[in-house]
Amino acid sequence: DTAVSQTPKYLVTQMGNDKSIKCEQNLGHDTMYWYKQDSKKFLKIMFSYNNKELIINETVPNRFSPKSPDKAHLNLHINSLELGDSAVYFCASSQEGSLHEQYFGPGTRLTVT
Amino acid sequence: AQSVTQPDIHITVSEGASLELRCNYSYGATPYLFWYVQSPGQGLQLLLKYFSGDTLVQGIKGFEAEFKRSQSSFNLRKPSVHWSDAAEYFCAVGARNNDMRFGAGTRLTVKP
Repeated sequence: DTAVSQTPKYLVTQMGNDKSIKCEQNLGHDTMYWYKQDSKKFLKIMFSYNNKELIINETVPNRFSPKSPDKAHLNLHINSLELGDSAVYFCASSQEGSLHEQYFGPGTRLTVT
Repeated sequence: AQSVTQPDIHITVSEGASLELRCNYSYGATPYLFWYVQSPGQGLQLLLKYFSGDTLVQGIKGFEAEFKRSQSSFNLRKPSVHWSDAAEYFCAVGARNNDMRFGAGTRLTVKP
């Protein structure tokens, strides 16, 4: 059983479109995260979320929004996609808080043309 | 906010040789330190972590790391590298506000 899964694995879309990436974890964790990994492999946290609190990295444009229908899911919605949004997006989960081990999904490679 | 520096972008070692990957952190409180490995096309997998206690921590796949508060370092070591260790390695520091900061990564190439 996959612990943290993401769909789709690849996403190619045009500038200006709106898209979503889905994430599900079956580990019973309280906290989920979204990260962006750029072409130089630099990994930056975008959001962390548990059932109490959403913490947003202040550098993330408000075109990006996380949506959590329940504790096991944290989807990423992106509006008005731009070329610079092309990257690999990773979902992760952990027991409450980032002081615990994070389990990562396989990533979604987003290409904006 | 905390930060992490991995000074080496790319390291090449021969199979069977020893390995040390450097990591320096900056954080005002007690750091929670991690090393993750990323194989090509994969997500990240935890190798080891340090929260408190013994400053030498053992991880999976024969890796270990040593926390040195005086040097603000958390270097990763392995006595004998295998070809399957070729990957990207990330050091990270966690904070109590759910913020996790990663270093820029070190790419390890293993020569036969």
